[in-house]
Amino acid sequence: KQEVTQIPAALSVPEGENLVLNCSFTDSAIYNLQWFRQDPGKGLTSLLLIQSSQREQTSGRLNASLDKSSGRSTLYIAASQPGDSATYLCAVVYMDTGRRALTFGSGTRLQVQP
Amino acid sequence: GAGVSQSPSNKVTEKGKDVELRCDPISGHTALYWYRQSLGQGLEFLIYFQGNSAPDKSGLPSDRFSAERTGGSVSTLTIQRTQQEDSAVYLCASSLRRQVGHQETQYFGPGTRLLVL
Repeated sequence: KQEVTQIPAALSVPEGENLVLNCSFTDSAIYNLQWFRQDPGKGLTSLLLIQSSQREQTSGRLNASLDKSSGRSTLYIAASQPGDSATYLCAVVYMDTGRRALTFGSGTRLQVQP
Repeated sequence: GAGVSQSPSNKVTEKGKDVELRCDPISGHTALYWYRQSLGQGLEFLIYFQGNSAPDKSGLPSDRFSAERTGGSVSTLTIQRTQQEDSAVYLCASSLRRQVGHQETQYFGPGTRLLVL
């Protein structure tokens, strides 16, 4: 079964720390991997999308890497701020379907303490 | 421009009633997805529309669930004879489908929170 796993499930850090969120997927045949942010009671906000041919993407304080061979992605957040507190979801589009639907991990709930 | 919109934002219904959830995708986006987010289940795919092609219904949990997309734009997800286990947040997403290899970022709406009593 094609799955996506995220660890840790929850993380609490003091403001200013750099942190890494981990995502692993079971099949290296993917189209792309996408990181989302979800605030309580809200929808999903796309943060970064990495195509299967790419190794990383950067946006501001965020950097996402992709290693298809090991089935892993990391989301690096530099100089964390209280406003970064949210649930971060990793999602993969596996190649064996034509629909391009996302398979989601269960998320990492991040709390940045001021 | 406007993002993906969904209505209603919240819906409370009684067990056994039918409900309709609406999604307005981003203008020009040819691909539309419905997902469900429930406690203990995470986010799961329900159904996918791409242009005028037949929809991929492989994620629908039962035949009580159906969806249509009129004119290649607005979509309605219908749940008949609702059950308590249908309580969840129903999320709609759209993307600008291009050829393989191009970006296919999915943009999500705010969701409809459904509570079946």
